[in-house]
Amino acid sequence: ETGVTQTPRHLVMGMTNKKSLKCEQHLGHNAMYWYKQSAKKPLELMFVYNFKEQTENNSVPSRFSPECPNSSHLFLHLHTLQPEDSALYLCASSQVGGNTIYFGEGSWLTVV
Amino acid sequence: DQQVKQNSPSLSVQEGRISILNCDYTNSMFDYFLWYKKYPAEGPTFLISISSIKDKNEDGRFTVFLNKSAKHLSLHIVPSQPGDSAVYFCAASGDDKIIFGKGTRLHILP
Repeated sequence: ETGVTQTPRHLVMGMTNKKSLKCEQHLGHNAMYWYKQSAKKPLELMFVYNFKEQTENNSVPSRFSPECPNSSHLFLHLHTLQPEDSALYLCASSQVGGNTIYFGEGSWLTVV
Repeated sequence: DQQVKQNSPSLSVQEGRISILNCDYTNSMFDYFLWYKKYPAEGPTFLISISSIKDKNEDGRFTVFLNKSAKHLSLHIVPSQPGDSAVYFCAASGDDKIIFGKGTRLHILP
């Protein structure tokens, strides 16, 4: 079992759909992150949650809505996305103030 | 403003030879540095790290060197193997943030 699990691994959605990405970490961490990786672009930090509280929103459009019900679970709710939102969405976790973050395998999103 | 730079988008190395991946940073607040390896359509996996109090850390075939005065670090892989073909991300941690470089794609040639 990997430390950070993401579901689904692949998702195709229309621009009017509402879907959610789920992340669960089994490492006992208390910080969780969403990153986006588009083709030929660096990793883009989207959101950070420390102890379930959002501490960073990196100017992400409101069509992406995160939710962190507890330190082990993180969701990314998606609605009215655009084709340019197609990317690999990566969840990660760490200890608050820790130096190393651990990534899940990613959810590959295609918006059609 | 890129605080962590990997200036080589790609690198090709013969199998068995040494692969050297480079990374530069600008923020002197960074005190911990990491390398991640990423295969296509998968998440990055942590590879090796180094604290700013050291100048070298070794783990098997992987060695990271840190030159604080030059704000430069490098990852050496020796001998290079086919499974090392991947994208390698350098990351710097400090001041309550972790910043990633754009990555270098390493191709190991047979």
